[in-house]
Amino acid sequence: RKEVEQDPGPFNVPEGATVAFNCTYSNSASQSFFWYRQDCRKEPKLLMSVYSSGNEDGRFTAQLNRASQYISLLIRDSKLSDSATYLCVVSLGRDDKIIFGKGTRLHILP
Amino acid sequence: DTGVSQNPRHKITKRGQNVTFRCDPISEHNRLYWYRQTLGQGPEFLTYFQNEAQLEKSRLLSDRFSAERPKGSFSTLEIQRTEQGDSAMYLCASSNVGQGAIYEQYFGPGTRLTVT
Repeated sequence: RKEVEQDPGPFNVPEGATVAFNCTYSNSASQSFFWYRQDCRKEPKLLMSVYSSGNEDGRFTAQLNRASQYISLLIRDSKLSDSATYLCVVSLGRDDKIIFGKGTRLHILP
Repeated sequence: DTGVSQNPRHKITKRGQNVTFRCDPISEHNRLYWYRQTLGQGPEFLTYFQNEAQLEKSRLLSDRFSAERPKGSFSTLEIQRTEQGDSAMYLCASSNVGQGAIYEQYFGPGTRLTVT
């Protein structure tokens, strides 16, 4: 089993719709979780950290399920500008390297 | 601009040549990371530094690759005897690891290497 797995997509979603991605991780000792966004030929940019209680930032909601070892990202009222690759990131802890998933490609259709 | 910077942004080299890339992290960040990313893949960890100490190297980092961070500020990544398989985007990131902090990494724009 890969350390971090994501559905590569692409997800083709009409503007205004709600879309959700899941990401599974293999190491139950993982402690830190993040979602990054990467535009074509650009560097990854931190979208949000994922906290145990779940967290929301505007149209974006992140959830962590430790029992099933997955994190999720929900995007509501999707915009054309949300089109990007979304990278799931997991770390064992603050002193450990982080592991990226391969990313999920999202295309928002007008 | 106080973000992470990388130079050069693009590098085209012939197989067998040596190349060196530079990364300047966010100034107060004590940790610096190098990643490699190829098309359709997420970034793959290469190595990281805590201040000037290199704490971990990936198995991806063959003996042709070497990284330094001599004064705990900027870092260089050198690839000797480049091969076509080294063609990729080389990304640098920095973070600030403190007591009890959930660190977050901030990436530079990357150096795109093409080996012909």
